[in-house]
Amino acid sequence: EAGVAQSPRYKIIEKRQSVAFWCNPISGHATLYWYQQILGQGPKLLIQFQNNGVVDDSQLPKDRFSAERLKGVDSTLKIQPAKLEDSAVYLCASSLGGPAYEQYFGPGTRLTVT
Amino acid sequence: GQQVMQIPQYQHVQEGEDFTTYCNSSTTLSNIQWYKQRPGGHPVFLIQLVKSGEVKKQKRLTFQFGEAKKNSSLHITATQTTDVGTYFCAGQETSGSRLTFGEGTQLTVNP
Repeated sequence: EAGVAQSPRYKIIEKRQSVAFWCNPISGHATLYWYQQILGQGPKLLIQFQNNGVVDDSQLPKDRFSAERLKGVDSTLKIQPAKLEDSAVYLCASSLGGPAYEQYFGPGTRLTVT
Repeated sequence: GQQVMQIPQYQHVQEGEDFTTYCNSSTTLSNIQWYKQRPGGHPVFLIQLVKSGEVKKQKRLTFQFGEAKKNSSLHITATQTTDVGTYFCAGQETSGSRLTFGEGTQLTVNP
C-alpha cells in the first residue's frame, strides 16, 4: 500500500514570496490533515478536510494560508506572502475516518523562509 | 483551549536502561494516541488508548491511560539504539475534535 506522498520535499524562498505544497493521501482515506511542525515542537493542525469539505481550519492563519482539496483526493496548501516565522516542516496526514483514527503521515516539506 | 504537556523534554539513557515519558492534558480526553518520530522522519502511529485505566503492551513498550483520562505514560523496558527518536502523545478532547499533540520527549540512547 502506497503511503502519503508530498512534494516538494524542500523549499527555500524569500519572505513575501508565495509557495505551494502538494499532498496525495492514501487511497480511500476520507480525512486529510495539514500540520505545521516547527523545529523542536509537536505537529500543530492547520486544517482538516473530510472528503472535500473543511472540518476544522480554526488554527489556519487565513490572511496568508489557504488550502483546498479538490475532488476529495489531492490537496494543496499555499502560503502567500510568506513570513520568516513560517519556516517549518509542513506535514500532510490522512486517515480512514476522523481524528480518532490512526493518522498516516507523509514525509513532509521542509520550508525555509529567508 | 486544550493543552497537552509532556515531560521530560529530553532524556538520555544508556542502552539497556528503562525510559518513561509522561503526558498530561488540561482537559479530559476521549482518547490518546502515541506517535514516534525518528530523526529526520515523520510521525508514525504507535497506539491508541480509549478506556480509563487502560494498559497496552507492544513488546518492550507499555502504554497507560490514567483513571481520570487526563494523563498517559509510555514506558520502554531495556532501551535499544533503535528506540532513538521523539515520542509524541496526542489527545482528542471529544469525538470529532482535533488531535492536539504534545511537545514530545526526545530520547537518545548511548550504546
